Amino acid sequence: KQEVTQIPAALSVPEGENLVLNCSFTDSAIYNLQWFRQDPGKGLTSLLLIQSSQREQTSGRLNASLDKSSGRSTLYIAASQPGDSATYLCATPTPGNTGKLIFGQGTTLQVKP
Amino acid sequence: NAGVMQNPRHLVRRRGQEARLRCSPMKGHSHVYWYRQLPEEGLKFMVYLQKENIIDESGMPKERFSAEFPKEGPSILRIQQVVRGDSAAYFCASSPTSLEKLFFGSGTQLSVL
Repeated sequence: KQEVTQIPAALSVPEGENLVLNCSFTDSAIYNLQWFRQDPGKGLTSLLLIQSSQREQTSGRLNASLDKSSGRSTLYIAASQPGDSATYLCATPTPGNTGKLIFGQGTTLQVKP
Repeated sequence: NAGVMQNPRHLVRRRGQEARLRCSPMKGHSHVYWYRQLPEEGLKFMVYLQKENIIDESGMPKERFSAEFPKEGPSILRIQQVVRGDSAAYFCASSPTSLEKLFFGSGTQLSVL
């Protein structure tokens, strides 16, 4: 049974710092891995989706990597800004249905001005 | 193209009442998923529906919870005889097929007094 873990649960950094969020999964036979952002009281916004055949995806200041053999994905945020403060979730689908996602608990990021 | 629409945003019910949560998927999306986020917990899959069919309800509590996605109209998540433990954020997501990225709504925050 797939389990997804995110460490740390919370992170506080000063503005401008580069940072890495971690996501680990127990079953390396994944179809894809997705990173989401959740703002308080809001829904989820998809940030990046990495297919199992890919090693990384980039969007602006965000870069997500995937290492299936070690069961890990990282989300790198460059030059962090206060507007990046949110909870970041990683998720991977169950076999056969990419809509049935298994989520990590999330990392709550605070970027201080 | 409007996103996934959920209403109400906030719902307050007393113990024993019924709660009805509505979700209108994105235009052209026939696959709907419901997730629940309990306080201090991650998002958990509840049910997956296509038009007029429940495909996977493995995450639904066995009693009091039901879901439908009729031929016309929104998907409905219904909770009968609510208890305080049902207080949570309920998110709906949709996709055009079972193999494509999900788009999430803003959620319904259910509070049971």
